[in-house]
Amino acid sequence: EDQVTQSPEALRLQEGESSSLNCSYTVSGLRGLFWYRQDPGKGPEFLFTLYSAGEEKEKERLKATLTKKESFLHITAPKPEDSATYLCAVQETGANNLFFGTGTRLTVIP
Amino acid sequence: GAVVSQHPSWVICKSGTSVKIECRSLDFQATTMFWYRQFPKQSLMLMATSNEGSKATYEQGVEKDKFLINHASLTLSTLTVTSAHPEDSSFYICSASGKETQYFGPGTRLLVL
Repeated sequence: EDQVTQSPEALRLQEGESSSLNCSYTVSGLRGLFWYRQDPGKGPEFLFTLYSAGEEKEKERLKATLTKKESFLHITAPKPEDSATYLCAVQETGANNLFFGTGTRLTVIP
Repeated sequence: GAVVSQHPSWVICKSGTSVKIECRSLDFQATTMFWYRQFPKQSLMLMATSNEGSKATYEQGVEKDKFLINHASLTLSTLTVTSAHPEDSSFYICSASGKETQYFGPGTRLLVL
């Protein structure tokens, strides 16, 4: 059965203090690993898709990396507006649906 | 691009009534749409997968007679919560399969009194 574990559950950073969020996964065959950002009371907003180990993608202060067992979302010099819950999801080969982790709740303090 | 809308954004209803939620892909066609439920501070739980023109596939433990799903066109799926009860109160989110991933709607908050 697919498993996705995100850590930490919650993270508080000072503005400018870089850090990483972790997503460990177990899946029989990985079609893709997805990162989303979710603000309170809103739907998830798509950030990145990673397909194979060694792949990296960047967008502004965010960089996502992938290995065969985990993915990291690196946040460089975060700003208060980066505060949100970051969700990781996996899609198994041949499947349509996504399996989500429980998310990391990030708070960036000015 | 890849915008998904949901309507209504929130609804309050009395116990025993039915509530319909619409999910639309605004700028792309989606043969597959998904319905999720999210409890406070928890992740998204897939309820069902909706394919245009065919019956929805429900996840284990989700009552298909309680949560009616219709995917009548490539841009519209609806979720009807029948005979709603307070325990059905939740945040319901739909998504539509696009080129790269699933794109999510803004969610519908349902409160059943």
